Amino acid sequence: DAKTTQPNSMESNEEEPVHLPCNHSTISGTDYIHWYRQLPSQGPEYVIHGLTSNVNNRMASLAIAEDRKSSTLILHRATLRDAAVYYCILLNQAGTALIFGKGTTLSVSS
Amino acid sequence: EPEVTQTPSHQVTQMGQEVILRCVPISNHLYFYWYRQILGQKVEFLVSFYNNEISEKSEIFDDQFSVERPDGSNFTLKIRSTKLEDSAMYFCAARRDSYTDTQYFGPGTRLTVL
Repeated sequence: DAKTTQPNSMESNEEEPVHLPCNHSTISGTDYIHWYRQLPSQGPEYVIHGLTSNVNNRMASLAIAEDRKSSTLILHRATLRDAAVYYCILLNQAGTALIFGKGTTLSVSS
Repeated sequence: EPEVTQTPSHQVTQMGQEVILRCVPISNHLYFYWYRQILGQKVEFLVSFYNNEISEKSEIFDDQFSVERPDGSNFTLKIRSTKLEDSAMYFCAARRDSYTDTQYFGPGTRLTVL
C-alpha cells in the first residue's frame, strides 16, 4: 500500500487558518488523496478528496503539489470543533478499504 | 447528511461468548465495511462487503469473525468466541458506489470483553 507521512500533532488558535501537511512520495497515478478526521469519541468523517487539482468544499480546501508527492489540507478559519485527528489516506481502485495511519492531532485554542 | 446507525452503543460480554454487532447502512449504498479501534490506537480495517459477499478482509478478520446482511438492511459483525483483546470500538461504514465515494461511518459500538 502507498504510505503517507503526517506530523503527529499541530496547534492552532481559533479563527486562524490551519495548514495540515501530508507527504506521499510513493503515490501512483491512480491514487486519490482522501482526508478524513475523527472528532473525540466519534467515528471518522470525510473531509475532502482530490486527484490532481486543488479542491474546495464547505469544510476545507485541498492543495495538491504539482508532482503529487505532497498535499495540504487547509482549514480556513479553525474553530474549537475542528479539534480532531486528521488522516491523509491514499485510495485506488485496487483496494477500497481506508487504511488509517496515526494522523495529525490538531489542537485548537480559544 | 446520510446516516449510518449502529446498535448497541455499548456491549459488555464475558470472554468466550459470542457477540453480534449491528449496523443499518444508508439505504442506497452498496459497499459496507467494519473497522475497529482499540483504545488509544489507530482505526483498523476489518472487512468489506459487497453484493452479499466479502470483497476484502484484513489479517485481523480471522475465523472468529463473520459478517452477513441477512435481511437486506442490517449488516452484522459476529465474533464467535470473544477474547480480551477484542475489546475495542467497532465502526460500521457504508459507501455508495465508486471507490472514490465518501465512506460514511456510524457512531460505533464499544465492545468490552471481561
